[in-house]
Amino acid sequence: QSVVTQPPSVSGAPGQRVTISCTGSSSNIGAGYHVHWYQQVPGTAPKLLIYDNDNRPSGVPDRFSGSKSGTSASLAITGLQAEDEADYYCQSYDSSLSGRVFGGGTKLTVL
Amino acid sequence: QVQLVESGGGVVQPGESLRLSCAASGFTFSIFGIHWVRQAPGKGLEWVAVIWYDENHKYYADSVKGRFTISRDNSKNMLFLQMNSLRAEDTAIYYCAKDRGVYQVVPNDSLDMWGQGTMVTVSS
Repeated sequence: QSVVTQPPSVSGAPGQRVTISCTGSSSNIGAGYHVHWYQQVPGTAPKLLIYDNDNRPSGVPDRFSGSKSGTSASLAITGLQAEDEADYYCQSYDSSLSGRVFGGGTKLTVL
Repeated sequence: QVQLVESGGGVVQPGESLRLSCAASGFTFSIFGIHWVRQAPGKGLEWVAVIWYDENHKYYADSVKGRFTISRDNSKNMLFLQMNSLRAEDTAIYYCAKDRGVYQVVPNDSLDMWGQGTMVTVSS
């Protein structure tokens, strides 16, 4: 069981907005460590989607945005498209574990 | 082309050893920290280990500490993971992933490039 928790699944219709939460604690997100988000299409490797809480790598559409507050972070996807259907993972650092930690992952279904 | 390519996966029995490799190309391998991350079948991502650019600093997840060893050969742009005393729970796809930061690996760095992964199965 991960020290950073995400909802197992979220869904939305094309064109809608969805958010995925990532909840941690005072030893990881709440300690000020950055949160990063990865997208993993089934059968492929993860891909960096958001880094340092709210920054998009080159090539990532601005439909994807990240935010962080306190011990939690969120990934928002607007204008949902069929190609967004994937698993999404948040990641931070945990000082108690002295290592990187991933959330359990959230499966996004585009209805 | 910037890429990481893992190899060395396979099927082994509990207690046996396996050595994974990760070949890097298209970027200056010697100045970046590199991680191993694994994913058990149908499960989420689990960070395994990281090595700094110069091999002087290595860090491991508690689940593999004392059994796995991460190393690198900058002259050949290669990363390795020596896995000993393998257990059924080590069964997973193993990915190598590049740290976004340069030289030192700091806690706030993200993993900005991933290989396609290599499958390790530990079963009797």
